[in-house]
Amino acid sequence: DADVTQTPRNRITKTGKRIMLECSQTKGHDRMYWYRQDPGLGLRLIYYSFDVKDINKGEISDGYSVSRQAQAKFSLSLESAIPNQTALYFCATSRQGATNTGELFFGEGSRLTVL
Amino acid sequence: ILNVEQSPQSLHVQEGDSTNFTCSFPSSNFYALHWYRWETAKSPEALFVMTLNGDEKKKGRISATLNTKEGYSYLYIKGSQPEDSATYLCAFKAGKSTFGDGTTLTVKP
Repeated sequence: DADVTQTPRNRITKTGKRIMLECSQTKGHDRMYWYRQDPGLGLRLIYYSFDVKDINKGEISDGYSVSRQAQAKFSLSLESAIPNQTALYFCATSRQGATNTGELFFGEGSRLTVL
Repeated sequence: ILNVEQSPQSLHVQEGDSTNFTCSFPSSNFYALHWYRWETAKSPEALFVMTLNGDEKKKGRISATLNTKEGYSYLYIKGSQPEDSATYLCAFKAGKSTFGDGTTLTVKP
């Protein structure tokens, strides 16, 4: 079983619909992230959370919201989906270390298509 | 927004060729530089975590170097194989990670 699990893996929806992407992890990491990937581009950070009470906006947070329900769960919502939110979404985790140098561990990705 | 740049954007080589690509990043407030390998239909996986100026890391035929003073890192693949075909991402870590756009490597048999 994957240490970082995303659901759904694929979703097709219509403009204006509310969509939630869920992420759960069994790695025991405090830090969780949501990234978006578009063709030809790297991963862009949407939101991140360094612990249950901490939520921070990333580079491209407009049109998205998040909820950190527990240490192991971090969900991403699109309140009213639009076609340019069609993308591959990744959840990731990292451990909190004194040197803050830890790498990211990624989920399997959620492919969202907004028609 | 931090500027992390990778070059080239894509690379096609023959099996057995050696190749290298570049990641440039801000030279101030450096914490770490990560290299990730991302195969099609899979998740990105960390290859190297580099933290010190002059770091050299190696994993099999793949190695990386780091120059934090001038803000660049090189990834080298010696004797490329078809299974090395992937997108290689670098990420500048300072609290959160900022990714470059990646270099997509295709190795032809």
